[in-house]
Amino acid sequence: QSALTQPRSVSGSPGQSITISCTGTSSDVGGYNFVSWYQQHPGKAPKLIIYDVSKRPSGVPDHFSGSKSGNTASLTISGLQAEDEADYYCCSYAGSSLYVFGTGTEVTVL
Amino acid sequence: EVQLVESGGGLVQPGGSLRLSCAVSGFTFTSYEMNWVRQAPGKGLEWVSSISSSGSTMSYADSVKGRFTISRDNAKNSLFLQMNSLRVEDTAVYYCARNNPFFDPWGQGTLVTVSS
Repeated sequence: QSALTQPRSVSGSPGQSITISCTGTSSDVGGYNFVSWYQQHPGKAPKLIIYDVSKRPSGVPDHFSGSKSGNTASLTISGLQAEDEADYYCCSYAGSSLYVFGTGTEVTVL
Repeated sequence: EVQLVESGGGLVQPGGSLRLSCAVSGFTFTSYEMNWVRQAPGKGLEWVSSISSSGSTMSYADSVKGRFTISRDNAKNSLFLQMNSLRVEDTAVYYCARNNPFFDPWGQGTLVTVSS
């Protein structure tokens, strides 16, 4: 049960696009289409923004999108906004009712 | 409105025990797997444990296996986490979350501090 690997930090200017990677193995990210992404602002509970690799819950802005290739999932934030500054975590199902989170990425809006 | 409210956190000495509760409302509790996820101060999220909708199947992270026990009371719409043999490294905010199989929604969390 090793954590999925994410970059520690990513930054961008307002309006730019950024991508956060989430690298696992064939036993988790590569083995299932159950990758989800969470946004967490300081002092708050995490919030689901992407599920099943690329689906957006209702109410989540469409400038968030997700994808997966092999053992790596990605979250893209298009048209970066000040309110997107937060920590982001990926999560994958790992079989046998086990789950694993990513190491987390701090997004800074310059 | 869907709500998950955790309680039971506090300060406990190493080796001690604590029982967390999560009161659920606003959805059919018996239809969903439930989970505990924790976050140590200044650190990332860590999945801790899951329990099936019926309560018959439980799973645990290696870091807590043999020390923590997840359970649920479907008649009372409640989820529990019994934590024994607590270690300093178990210090964290503990969140309960509905699973589908993504975690949504989350409670506000309850802080567990293990310290002498």
